[in-house]
Amino acid sequence: EDQVTQSPEALRLQEGESSSLNCSYTVSGLRGLFWYRQDPGKGPEFLFTLYSAGEEKEKERLKATLTKKESFLHITAPKPEDSATYLCAVSSGAGSYQLTFGKGTKLSVIP
Amino acid sequence: ETGVTQTPRHLVMGMTNKKSLKCEQHLGHNAMYWYKQSAKKPLELMFVYNFKEQTENNSVPSRFSPECPNSSHLFLHLHTLQPEDSALYLCASSPYPAGASTDTQYFGPGTRLTVL
Repeated sequence: EDQVTQSPEALRLQEGESSSLNCSYTVSGLRGLFWYRQDPGKGPEFLFTLYSAGEEKEKERLKATLTKKESFLHITAPKPEDSATYLCAVSSGAGSYQLTFGKGTKLSVIP
Repeated sequence: ETGVTQTPRHLVMGMTNKKSLKCEQHLGHNAMYWYKQSAKKPLELMFVYNFKEQTENNSVPSRFSPECPNSSHLFLHLHTLQPEDSALYLCASSPYPAGASTDTQYFGPGTRLTVL
């Protein structure tokens, strides 16, 4: 059974204070690892898909990296508008279309 | 209108009511999904439709009944729900059929359901 663990559960940062969110996973053959951003009362917004260890993707202040056991979402010089819950999910196995999600990390960026 | 839309955005219903949630995707995708999101829990996959055919039912109680008339529309019919069914119900779609190399799913805004 696929498992996804995100840490920390909550993170408070001062504006401009860079940090990283962690997503540890256990799967039987990773097909893809996904990062989403979710604002309160809204649906998850797609950020990145990573497919293999060593892969990196960037979007504005966000950078996602992937190893064989975990993924990091690095946030550089965050702004208050980056405040949201960040969700990590994995898909695995041949023919799989199911995503297994973690509980998320709630990020608060204080001005 | 673009992306994935859901109506209504908020719904309050009694345990004896019957209601339906609607999802429409404007992305030309072939797979659609229903998820349940409860506080402090990960998203739970409920149903998967691939080319209008249901391909997954994750042990969801029969008081939830999905319907997919075509690849662009998905419904979730609700009847005799329980208070613990109160949650955010999310619809998603993906651009490839099941088994393809990429599984990126795109979500709608959700319906906040409260069962009294």
